[in-house]
Amino acid sequence: GAVVSQHPSWVICKSGTSVKIECRSLDFQATTMFWYRQFPKQSLMLMATSNEGSKATYEQGVEKDKFLINHASLTLSTLTVTSAHPEDSSFYICSASKGGLTTEAFFGQGTRLTVV
Amino acid sequence: AQSVTQLGSHVSVSEGALVLLRCNYSSSVPPYLFWYVQYPNQGLQLLLKYTTGATLVKGINGFEAEFKKSETSFHLTKPSAHMSDAAEYFCAVTGTGNQFYFGTGTSLTVIP
Repeated sequence: GAVVSQHPSWVICKSGTSVKIECRSLDFQATTMFWYRQFPKQSLMLMATSNEGSKATYEQGVEKDKFLINHASLTLSTLTVTSAHPEDSSFYICSASKGGLTTEAFFGQGTRLTVV
Repeated sequence: AQSVTQLGSHVSVSEGALVLLRCNYSSSVPPYLFWYVQYPNQGLQLLLKYTTGATLVKGINGFEAEFKKSETSFHLTKPSAHMSDAAEYFCAVTGTGNQFYFGTGTSLTVIP
């Protein structure tokens, strides 16, 4: 099956700093990647859709200047949380799609971000 | 637009009993429906999916779900619960462009 890897799995950063999370499709080319955020005991909320070589499409209410998404290649998308604050602490999960008529997205293992 | 409603944020069953987790969807296009399981501090694992064809789909770990268009439902069942089934379960529907819209999740507790 298709494998999606996120790095890091855990990260702690200080308030005001930025942190980058990577999402890689290891054995397939992902034309589209998605970023989700999950608060404790809650569901996954789609933050943005990232297409290789173009600007990400953000969901309503998601600050694009705070959550910078780059999809520079068909196997890598990055999410950078800029000027992080404690309220940004969350579980971030990416998924990757092969595109076309595929009906399945493959999920990374998630990144636990704690801002102190 | 697509959305999913999961009835019951917490479900408890005895070991060996039937598991039933409910999911209703709303979709303006023919839906693709999924069930995922999530263990603490982990990502999502696909249990099963419905795309087209047979409405009763079987997944991993003995789970199955039936797509009922007339009821806009995709409930997840397992005949006999196991302790290892305790986890968070998410129902999801795809929107346009393959993004997933998730339900709020159901936490399954299995009582020994």
